[in-house]
This record gives sequence, structure tokens and C-alpha cells, in this order.
Amino acid sequence: EVQVVESGGGLVQPGGSLRLSCAASGFTLSSYAMSWVRQPPGKGLQWVSSISASGVSAYYADSVKGRFTISRDTSKNTLYLQMHSLRVEDTALYYCANNWAYWGQGTLVTVSS
Amino acid sequence: QSVLTQPPSASGTPGQRVTISCSGSSSNIGSHAVNWFQQLPGTAPILLMYSDTQRPSGVPDRFSGSKSGSSASLAISGLQSEDEADYYCAVWDDSLNGHVFGTGTKVTVL
Repeated sequence: EVQVVESGGGLVQPGGSLRLSCAASGFTLSSYAMSWVRQPPGKGLQWVSSISASGVSAYYADSVKGRFTISRDTSKNTLYLQMHSLRVEDTALYYCANNWAYWGQGTLVTVSS
Repeated sequence: QSVLTQPPSASGTPGQRVTISCSGSSSNIGSHAVNWFQQLPGTAPILLMYSDTQRPSGVPDRFSGSKSGSSASLAISGLQSEDEADYYCAVWDDSLNGHVFGTGTKVTVL
């Protein structure tokens, strides 16, 4: 069964850092493009970042470019999102998605002083 | 503000047909395949339609997708109470070099 499970969210102060993880099972990360999507409380979906199946190409929304880094560890079959210089407006439920077909339940990131 | 515009809301009575539009441009919908997602209250999004018109396994055939030029549409025929949800279109945008989601449409079953 294909499954992705996000973790690593929490409360962080503005300017702080956090690393999100997305553990994949039932498929191999290196076979699919993977993405991070976020949803601020009460608002719509926002694409954050994607990595190609080969792992060679990474793409970022302008709002996170230079602050967030997407990566993966194929030996652990886990996707990551390293977030630095966090802002209040980064507060959201962060989802991991496998080629858009399989989504996790999300992990909540709250940026507040 | 998203580059993909959807109506904020749509509604219908059980059995009716509801159509949701997604308006974009030549750099996104006009050049790439559109996906549609359904998000039931308090749950993660579900892929409802991919490559403009293709339904993933398990999606009822009363959901259908279409595209013309820089606009796409999702139609729900025979509306049911369980269709009450938020719906989002999504597509790659060449100008932004990234994916974009539509503004979202809340469907209410009256």
C-alpha cells in the first residue's frame, strides 16, 4: 500500500528553522516526482516545492526560494523540506505528495513569537 | 493571489449538474495538463482528475474534466451530498517555473 507520512512540524519563532520529513512506503522515492504543498489556516492550497524523480531538478515557489530546500534520502526512502528564516506567513499545514496521487495527512508548522 | 482563477463558490441540489471553471493563461493551462483535487472538510486533498480529463481509479464517472484554450472545467453530474467539498485546479506554469493551484471553489449541496 502506497503511503506518505509527514513529521517534524511544530512551533518556531520568526527567523527560526525547521526540517520536515516525509516517510514513503509502498513505492520507491527515486521513481516519482515528489512535492510539498502547504495550506495556511482557513485558506487554499499553495505549492511550495517539487523534486524530480531523478532527484536532479528542484523547483521552488518564489515565496520560499532561498529559504527552503527540498531533498531526499533514497536509502531511507524519505523526503525532506529544510526551512530557514521562517516567517509568520509560513504558518500552515504542510503536505507531502507523491506525483499528486498520494498525499499524507500533513504536519502543522506554526511560526509565532 | 493565484494566477489560476476559480469562482469562490458553487451550489446545486442533489441530482443537479455543477460546473467549476479554472481560468489561466497560455503559460499554464494553455500549455500543460490540468489536475483537479477534491478536499473534504478536515482532510487531505484527493486527486480527482489528471491530464485534463482522466479519472484515477475509484473516482466516480459523474466527475468529468475538460479544457479549451487557457481555461479548464470540472463538472459534477448527479450531485450528491458527499460531493460537498473544496475543489482546486492545478497546473505547471512556465513563467513561474513551478506549479500553481487555483483559488479554490467551495461546492455546497443545497
